[in-house]
Amino acid sequence: NAGVMQNPRHLVRRRGQEARLRCSPMKGHSHVYWYRQLPEEGLKFMVYLQKENIIDESGMPKERFSAEFPKEGPSILRIQQVVRGDSAAYFCASSPGLALENYGFFGPGTRLTVL
Amino acid sequence: GQQVMQIPQYQHVQEGEDFTTYCNSSTTLSNIQWYKQRPGGHPVFLIQLVKSGEVKKQKRLTFQFGEAKKNSSLHITATQTTDVGTYFCAGRDGSGGSNYKLTFGKGTLLTVNP
Repeated sequence: NAGVMQNPRHLVRRRGQEARLRCSPMKGHSHVYWYRQLPEEGLKFMVYLQKENIIDESGMPKERFSAEFPKEGPSILRIQQVVRGDSAAYFCASSPGLALENYGFFGPGTRLTVL
Repeated sequence: GQQVMQIPQYQHVQEGEDFTTYCNSSTTLSNIQWYKQRPGGHPVFLIQLVKSGEVKKQKRLTFQFGEAKKNSSLHITATQTTDVGTYFCAGRDGSGGSNYKLTFGKGTLLTVNP
């Protein structure tokens, strides 16, 4: 029973480059949630996706950030033209549906460092 | 919007002493979850509390959910060095809104002197 998987675990980008973070949900889960954790802070909700649909992106910055969860493959969080303030740990969680069973099990995260 | 406050921010104890962290929400919660995160690690789910006044125990850890479902606490008895980490509470809005969102407190960093 593989848990939520994320890659890469660490990502270094220079200012202005693009960052792509991937999240593979638990088997049988079709709902994915992305959270961001700034240093010495709690996690903050970014976006909630179902397969091929964005349900709630209210926590995501309006510019440079986008997320998708295609029919096949992992969910992708994409950050264009990264800035130093994007340096953070990005975690995702998944659930099988609205009942949110097993929701609370986060992946290992991607730690993004912007130079 | 919903806010979750957690105190203290830091707590340093001698091994064997007890530890408590407190969590308060600005709104009524449908449930609350507790997590532990080690430095460089990811939040590890500890427990979920759902019922008003609920108390749950896991070995030396005791979790409480307030009667009004707006506050919660985590108490560790006789801390050990393996308890080191940051403990987060995360609440889910009980007002019927976006119940899939977890609102996290800022966490309490526990360090234990052996």
